[in-house]
Amino acid sequence: SQTIHQWPATLVQPVGSPLSLECTVEGTSNPNLYWYRQAAGRGLQLLFYSVGIGQISSEVPQNLSASRPQDRQFILSSKKLLLSDSGFYLCAFLPGQGRTDTQYFGPGTRLTVL
Amino acid sequence: AQSVTQLGSHVSVSEGALVLLRCNYSSSVPPYLFWYVQYPNQGLQLLLKYTSAATLVKGINGFEAEFKKSETSFHLTKPSAHMSDAAEYFCAVSALNTGGFKTIFGAGTRLFVKA
Repeated sequence: SQTIHQWPATLVQPVGSPLSLECTVEGTSNPNLYWYRQAAGRGLQLLFYSVGIGQISSEVPQNLSASRPQDRQFILSSKKLLLSDSGFYLCAFLPGQGRTDTQYFGPGTRLTVL
Repeated sequence: AQSVTQLGSHVSVSEGALVLLRCNYSSSVPPYLFWYVQYPNQGLQLLLKYTSAATLVKGINGFEAEFKKSETSFHLTKPSAHMSDAAEYFCAVSALNTGGFKTIFGAGTRLFVKA
């Protein structure tokens, strides 16, 4: 079966510190991968998506970056966190090289920047 | 291009009452439509989806949604609300593009259920 994992579940970081959030998918090959952010009281904002290893598309300008070093691994990073980076980060995938219609979501990471 | 609008960021119902969450979409190609539910501090869980088969779609937890092309709507309903239905609900539209499926999410509707 297809599963998606995210870690850590919660994270509290000081302003200016680095960030690394990891997402891994099991049970499918060549998935499309996505990073979303939910700020308090707001909907889903698509940050990055990837259709293959090393292929990253950014949807919004920001101080975050994403990488896909392996087929089923997606990493969200920052060199220096800002207060505005606080939020709930969700990883999602589309199985089957993006040719299927349903996105599946991970459990999320709650990031608080102080 | 696709877009989705959820009418009402907050909806409050009494336990046992009808739940109606509204979603309107636009799409230049035949759409795939979804409802997801999100409980506090959790990821999104698929409730149901419409993929050009039956226009009335039944999902988990007693929810259903009806695709109405003439109204470009995909409203979510449940005959009788339960306390456990309190959550945030997202409508989404997806269409097949050259790079695969692209999904657009609505802003979400938070459902409150009063005892």
